[in-house]
Amino acid sequence: ELKVEQNPLFLSMQEGKNYTIYCNYSTTSDRLYWYRQDPGKSLESLFVLLSNGAVKQEGRLMASLDTKARLSTLHITAAVHDLSATYFCAVGVDFGNEKLTFGTGTRLTIIP
Amino acid sequence: EPEVTQTPSHQVTQMGQEVILRCVPISNHLYFYWYRQILGQKVEFLVSFYNNEISEKSEIFDDQFSVERPDGSNFTLKIRSTKLEDSAMYFCASSFGTSGRVYEQFFGPGTRLTVL
Repeated sequence: ELKVEQNPLFLSMQEGKNYTIYCNYSTTSDRLYWYRQDPGKSLESLFVLLSNGAVKQEGRLMASLDTKARLSTLHITAAVHDLSATYFCAVGVDFGNEKLTFGTGTRLTIIP
Repeated sequence: EPEVTQTPSHQVTQMGQEVILRCVPISNHLYFYWYRQILGQKVEFLVSFYNNEISEKSEIFDDQFSVERPDGSNFTLKIRSTKLEDSAMYFCASSFGTSGRVYEQFFGPGTRLTVL
């Protein structure tokens, strides 16, 4: 059974600081997704990482994928309050018809 | 930009009643999914659907659950006899459009199901 673990589960950080969220998964896959969820809302796609060494950046967020280590990271640079949300990574294992297995989520709170 | 829509946004039902949750996937997508999220927990896969049949289902998706694509646009999830533990947010998603971002699943806004 595929397991996807994120850490930390909760993260409080001050505005302007940098931090990294880690996503480990237990089986071979070259497709890793990051989603953002605001309280009571749906899942917003942030990044799609499709190969080993993939790195994508959008604003203050940067995601990377190491398929050999089965590890993805989501790096936050100079955090701002608007980034407060829960972040999920998800692993896909079948092309096209792709069941996503989600991580436990990281609840990020940015403190002024 | 095209989006997945879901109705209703909130459904309250009595234990043992049947509920139907409705979704309209993005029009040129081929794969459809249901996920659920119990309050404060992670998102869990329920079922995937392609070419008018179930492709894969999880252990959660037992005989009380069914899915249907009754016409060219709607995709429904039926729970025949709801239990208290079915209370959750249910998300519909679709993927594999014919142009760009073909791997990405796009999620609808969700239906919050409350079973009393």
